[in-house]
Amino acid sequence: EVQLVESGGGLVQPGGSLRLSCAASGFTFSNYRMHWVRQAPGKGLEWASYINNDGSTTTYADSVRGRFTISRDNAKNTLYLQMNSLRVEDTAFYYCARASGYGDHVLDYWGLGTLVTVSS
Amino acid sequence: SSELTQDPAVSVALGQTVRITCQGDSLRNYYASWYQQKPGQAPLRVIYGQNNRPSGIPDRFSGFTSGSTASLTITGAQAEDEADYYCNSRDNNGNHVIFGGGTKVTVL
Repeated sequence: EVQLVESGGGLVQPGGSLRLSCAASGFTFSNYRMHWVRQAPGKGLEWASYINNDGSTTTYADSVRGRFTISRDNAKNTLYLQMNSLRVEDTAFYYCARASGYGDHVLDYWGLGTLVTVSS
Repeated sequence: SSELTQDPAVSVALGQTVRITCQGDSLRNYYASWYQQKPGQAPLRVIYGQNNRPSGIPDRFSGFTSGSTASLTITGAQAEDEADYYCNSRDNNGNHVIFGGGTKVTVL
């Protein structure tokens, strides 16, 4: 069974940093591209970042580029999101999601999410 | 940049048919995928590609694309279909993923 489990969320002050992790199981992690998608409380889904199978290609939404870094450790079956210079508007649930073999934007499995709260 | 536009909310009587639309120029080049999200839950893919349903998704869910508009149809809506529905695709350059703003479906 495919499972994605996010961790690392919490309360952080503006300007602070957090690193999110997403532990993958039930599939060959190194064969799949991955995404981070976020959702502010009561708001819609917003794509944040993408990484290809071996980590050589990454892309970011304009809202996080230069502050967030996506990475992966295929040996540990884990996806990461390093978040620096956090802003109040980064407050959201952060989901990791797997890109299906059908297309990079087709997200076939999602984790339950981890909540990041940026507040003083 | 590209955008996907969805109506904020629709309602449907129990057992009737509802169609949710998603408009965007990039849909001329990339099929939309559709996701159902219930309160407190992660999104769940319900339609992808031209009109493909993942295993376990009821056949009352169907998708269609014409030009720059993608649609998700629920034929014979059930109470458990009450949820937020999001479309997504790629932007015009194909580099980024984009989501529509979501449509809240209420089953009356």
